[in-house]
Amino acid sequence: DAGVTQSPTHLIKTRGQQVTLRCSPISGHKSVSWYQQVLGQGPQFIFQYYEKEERGRGNFPDRFSARQFPNYSSELNVNALLLGDSALYLCASSLAWPNYGYTFGSGTRLTVV
Amino acid sequence: KNEVEQSPQNLTAQEGEFITINCSYSVGISALHWLQQHPGGGIVSLFMLSSGKKKHGRLIATINIQEKHSSLHITASHPRDSAVYICAGGTGTASKLTFGTGTRLQVTL
Repeated sequence: DAGVTQSPTHLIKTRGQQVTLRCSPISGHKSVSWYQQVLGQGPQFIFQYYEKEERGRGNFPDRFSARQFPNYSSELNVNALLLGDSALYLCASSLAWPNYGYTFGSGTRLTVV
Repeated sequence: KNEVEQSPQNLTAQEGEFITINCSYSVGISALHWLQQHPGGGIVSLFMLSSGKKKHGRLIATINIQEKHSSLHITASHPRDSAVYICAGGTGTASKLTFGTGTRLQVTL
């Protein structure tokens, strides 16, 4: 069985650009969460979606947005990139919501130059 | 102040040693997760606990709800156990995870 799939694995962008990160959850999982992990720190919660609705949002600016599609895959969009957005972006899927076990993807490493 | 506190931050052990990593959490956290992160980033979920004890192979996780404390134990440690171990709390209906700062474990031969 495929695990949580994230694409791309690595990405380099320039300040001011926009980026879209993608996540495919485990088959049958209906909840997707996004986390940002800056080097040397623990992951920080960005968004959670369940059944295509936003169920939670972390303390991130409006430049960050996300959506979940009918097939439960998800996209995270970041506009007007800043150097500080350089991080590992992790997607986690779970069967349902709330308080189910999570399976994490390997992440997308975004570098903003 | 973080809602999830871990100790120690760094831990070095010799192969075969019994290892304990501790996690304290604040009110409102209803499920406690133990995660493993290897260099390069990928996170593996080890356990999710809301009460009692769970065991998987050489890994044991316990939680004391009254004391808001959880421990991760590794028996007969091996160099392949070297990784960052993170505890994370799930909070009520939001279900977001709040992560501890992680414990960097190095197991040497």
